Amino acid sequence: DIQMTQSPSTLSASVGDRVTITCRASQSVNSWLAWYQQKPGKAPKVLIYKASSSQTGVTSRFSGSGSGTEFTLTISSLQPDDFATYYCQQYKNYPWTFGQGTKVEI
Amino acid sequence: QVQLQQWGAGLLKPSETLSLTCAVYGGSFSGYYWSWIRQPPGKGLEWIGAINHSGTINFNPSLKSRVTISVDTSKNQFSLRLSSVTAADTAVYYCTRGSLYIPSLDWGQGTLVTVSS
Repeated sequence: DIQMTQSPSTLSASVGDRVTITCRASQSVNSWLAWYQQKPGKAPKVLIYKASSSQTGVTSRFSGSGSGTEFTLTISSLQPDDFATYYCQQYKNYPWTFGQGTKVEI
Repeated sequence: QVQLQQWGAGLLKPSETLSLTCAVYGGSFSGYYWSWIRQPPGKGLEWIGAINHSGTINFNPSLKSRVTISVDTSKNQFSLRLSSVTAADTAVYYCTRGSLYIPSLDWGQGTLVTVSS
């Protein structure tokens, strides 16, 4: 299985901050990587797919980059609605696997 | 707008079989990937398995021997069965619809399944 490791696990930030979350894969996943945002009690929502493509309707504050084994999700200017948990997921090989999550909190 | 609505028993005893169904409203059933994902309370996401547009099913090896995923295209529904459940299977279970480029684009509302004697 491909292991996905996110860092940090928890991130304390303030409104207006630029935030970067890193996701590393144990082997290359090319660009087959997605990012999701999850708020408490809700289903996750896809933000980014194919490493850097923004899902329709997602604010341009969110951007993704990377390929191979190292990826980043950047929030350009953190807004109150962005406090949530973020997950990366590789879908190059089965079983598809998720990172452990990064909680963005105040 | 596609909606996924899921249902199934929320409380099971150890050794029983978990059974969930997900109905797809407002969108095509063919040509997509249909997945099940779970999330234990307070923990991260775990991919259970998926069936793709050609009918090929893939499972998480950690669950493979206990999992069945099936599709009923006549009803626009797909289902999950997980046998011999234990407390470790307690989780919120989600059904999702995806494509080649977006593995889980649309999500069901989630079903909390608790395994307790």
